[in-house]
Amino acid sequence: GQNIDQPTEMTATEGAIVQINCTYQTSGFNGLFWYQQHAGEAPTFLSYNVLDGLEEKGRFSSFLSRSKGYSYLLLKELQMKDSASYLCAVRDPGSTDSWGKLQFGAGTQVVVTP
Amino acid sequence: DTEVTQTPKHLVMGMTNKKSLKCEQHMGHRAMYWYKQKAKKPPELMFVYSYEKLSINESVPSRFSPECPNSSLLNLHLHALQPEDSALYLCASSQDTGLFPSYEQYFGPGTRLTVT
Repeated sequence: GQNIDQPTEMTATEGAIVQINCTYQTSGFNGLFWYQQHAGEAPTFLSYNVLDGLEEKGRFSSFLSRSKGYSYLLLKELQMKDSASYLCAVRDPGSTDSWGKLQFGAGTQVVVTP
Repeated sequence: DTEVTQTPKHLVMGMTNKKSLKCEQHMGHRAMYWYKQKAKKPPELMFVYSYEKLSINESVPSRFSPECPNSSLLNLHLHALQPEDSALYLCASSQDTGLFPSYEQYFGPGTRLTVT
């Protein structure tokens, strides 16, 4: 089975740092993605991890520990436009071929306050 | 060009209507996806096409019928829908061949569907 857990909501002030945790228990693992989704809009890709460690992209960083089934997305120097839902998604290699489905967590709503 | 386009943006249809959602990408991607998303929920995978062939159907009711006429286009034909089918329908594409798992999915803006 698949289980991907994220906090429902987090609030932080402009300029601060917020860390969104994601834990997963999936039958297979072939990478973890983070997406940002503003209300009423499509998800946009933020980051990808397949090996343990930290990936940094500007104000956003993502960390993965495969042995712990754990990832986090770190948002630094928060801006008002960062208010959005952040989706953790695990790529499952599947049982019949190497192509993998993307299983999404429920998303974490980040609210940035002035 | 990293754009996936979807038409229409909004659609209202009755339970006896037949309509189609359209999706297009010109990134040379060979995998295309349909997702359904309810308010405050994550996207749920419905169908996957890989190299224009249906590779995954997530036990979707037959009132939803996907079609991939060519490598750039993906349609979702709708017939006899129920009010509970009202949702945001997202199309996505990726270069993924299964060999390179880092290929992310690019999402279109979605079609907001209301079934009355």
